[in-house]
Amino acid sequence: EPEVTQTPSHQVTQMGQEVILRCVPISNHLYFYWYRQILGQKVEFLVSFYNNEISEKSEIFDDQFSVERPDGSNFTLKIRSTKLEDSAMYFCASSPLTDTQYFGPGTRLTVL
Amino acid sequence: EDQVTQSPEALRLQEGESSSLNCSYTVSGLRGLFWYRQDPGKGPEFLFTLYSAGEEKEKERLKATLTKKESFLHITAPKPEDSATYLCAVQAMKGSNDYKLSFGAGTTVTVRA
Repeated sequence: EPEVTQTPSHQVTQMGQEVILRCVPISNHLYFYWYRQILGQKVEFLVSFYNNEISEKSEIFDDQFSVERPDGSNFTLKIRSTKLEDSAMYFCASSPLTDTQYFGPGTRLTVL
Repeated sequence: EDQVTQSPEALRLQEGESSSLNCSYTVSGLRGLFWYRQDPGKGPEFLFTLYSAGEEKEKERLKATLTKKESFLHITAPKPEDSATYLCAVQAMKGSNDYKLSFGAGTTVTVRA
């Protein structure tokens, strides 16, 4: 059964450093998403991506964040200058159309 | 703003003891309501999508139902492997490019053998 994959599973970085989180969505899915979950809190929407452009973003997704689909398979989330409060689990999701979203296993980001 | 409230926060069950989880929601038009299972340190695993009041979906020991204001996830004769956090999420009928999910805080279910 096709799955969303994410790398790395755990990323440790120093405050102020740039990080890139990578995702391979399910092939033939058209919509891609990033969510995050701070420890003990709700899963929160960050951004959605369709047809090579951002279709929706939350207030959390400020100028420090960017997304890219550099080729036909990868979908990345870049945080330019990490802050302590960026520490969270980051989940990539994809959907074939606009309904059910399938999530990856997540990347745990720890900012020191 | 879309709101999703799940109750109870935690549920401890004996193996075989059936129970129900509640998800109440407020959205400006429901496009879909989704149930996911999340194990510790893992991503949400899709369980069900419900689209309209009266709809029901079943999978093994789980059954999801939907009304105009809430959804229930019924766990029948649970086993220890059903222990997980169950997340409810809604997708609102908004702009043509707005398909984000708004999640509740989840109900953590522990099933003792």
